[in-house]
Amino acid sequence: GQQVMQIPQYQHVQEGEDFTTYCNSSTTLSNIQWYKQRPGGHPVFLIQLVKSGEVKKQKRLTFQFGEAKKNSSLHITATQTTDVGTYFCAGPDQAGTALIFGKGTTLSVSS
Amino acid sequence: KAGVTQTPRYLIKTRGQQVTLSCSPISGHRSVSWYQQTPGQGLQFLFEYFSETQRNKGNFPGRFSGRQFSNSRSEMNVSTLELGDSALYLCASSLESNSPLHFGNGTRLTVT
Repeated sequence: GQQVMQIPQYQHVQEGEDFTTYCNSSTTLSNIQWYKQRPGGHPVFLIQLVKSGEVKKQKRLTFQFGEAKKNSSLHITATQTTDVGTYFCAGPDQAGTALIFGKGTTLSVSS
Repeated sequence: KAGVTQTPRYLIKTRGQQVTLSCSPISGHRSVSWYQQTPGQGLQFLFEYFSETQRNKGNFPGRFSGRQFSNSRSEMNVSTLELGDSALYLCASSLESNSPLHFGNGTRLTVT
């Protein structure tokens, strides 16, 4: 079945360092979504990318959707302690009625 | 606007029992999805309902079932509980397919 993979599984950085997580799908996606889950919380929607090669920015966060619409990345510039959490990418299945999540990248930041 | 509400927040059950979890979506959202979250497997899709119809089901045994009511509220049921069913069960609502999901706080189920 369709798979969404993320690397790395864990990443620890010093505050101020950059961070990148990568997402790969086994199938071409109509769109890709990113979510953040804080420790003890629930996933919260960050952004949706739809177009091939699309790049979107949210303050220090930069999201990219690959040209083949099978991969994506999230880059955080100058991490802060508030960035701590698990970042998930997710893409719709072939039917378009289920969002398939990667296993996430857990980011820890030390000050 | 009220968010997605899940009840109860915590449940402790014994192996062999059954459990029912409830989810009230955001007003106006007709799609409700359920996910099981565990440390080892991440977020796994259980099923999706739209206008009272199950449109999609994940790879879970028949012990896991759900339904959606005319007011879009949804319930999921797990029968004959097993230790491995211990997890955080998350409900999410959305306006339509491919729309962003809005998650509830989840129900933490512990099976002993």
